[in-house]
Amino acid sequence: ETGVTQTPRHLVMGMTNKKSLKCEQHLGHNAMYWYKQSAKKPLELMFVYNFKEQTENNSVPSRFSPECPNSSHLFLHLHTLQPEDSALYLCASSQESGGGSNQPQHFGDGTRLSIL
Amino acid sequence: SQQGEEDPQALSIQEGENATMNCSYKTSINNLQWYRQNSGRGLVHLILIRSNEREKHSGRLRVTLDTSKKSSSLLITASRAADTASYFCATDALWAQKLVFGQGTRLTINP
Repeated sequence: ETGVTQTPRHLVMGMTNKKSLKCEQHLGHNAMYWYKQSAKKPLELMFVYNFKEQTENNSVPSRFSPECPNSSHLFLHLHTLQPEDSALYLCASSQESGGGSNQPQHFGDGTRLSIL
Repeated sequence: SQQGEEDPQALSIQEGENATMNCSYKTSINNLQWYRQNSGRGLVHLILIRSNEREKHSGRLRVTLDTSKKSSSLLITASRAADTASYFCATDALWAQKLVFGQGTRLTINP
């Protein structure tokens, strides 16, 4: 049991669709993250939220829109995606974010996204 | 860039043997972490070593850190088939607000 739950596990969508990815953590953490994992590339940080406030946007295209209504939930709203956006999207949480926090991150199992 | 780089990219050994993976990075860090990822799953945190620590153990795992060489190694002793996975190092820089992951080592344990 991971403590971080992501839904859906798999998503196939057309380039004109709008969909959302959901992440929920049951660990009482204050920081949540979205990562993109593509084949043969390092894990790419997309967004960081700390105490519901966005603290990092790693130059992510505007077709990805995050939302963090509370410290336990994180969404990634998708619209007008491109084929190169096909990837595994991972959500993670930690007690807090920031350099020097010495905090491990806890990951969900991801959403495998395929753009047709 | 702060990116950690693992070496080798892929490693295949027989069950019972030891597996060693290495990670190099470029700038000063606060800590370095190792994660495991099984196929189709998320990353699982294995061990965190602080910059003032040189070695750390957890079960069959042994991690070393050499800040003068900006490198770390992960040793898995007495490997098992269940250790088959990808292993990533991640660095937490002093000035950054994020972990930066390497590309990982894909470890295969043959029965």
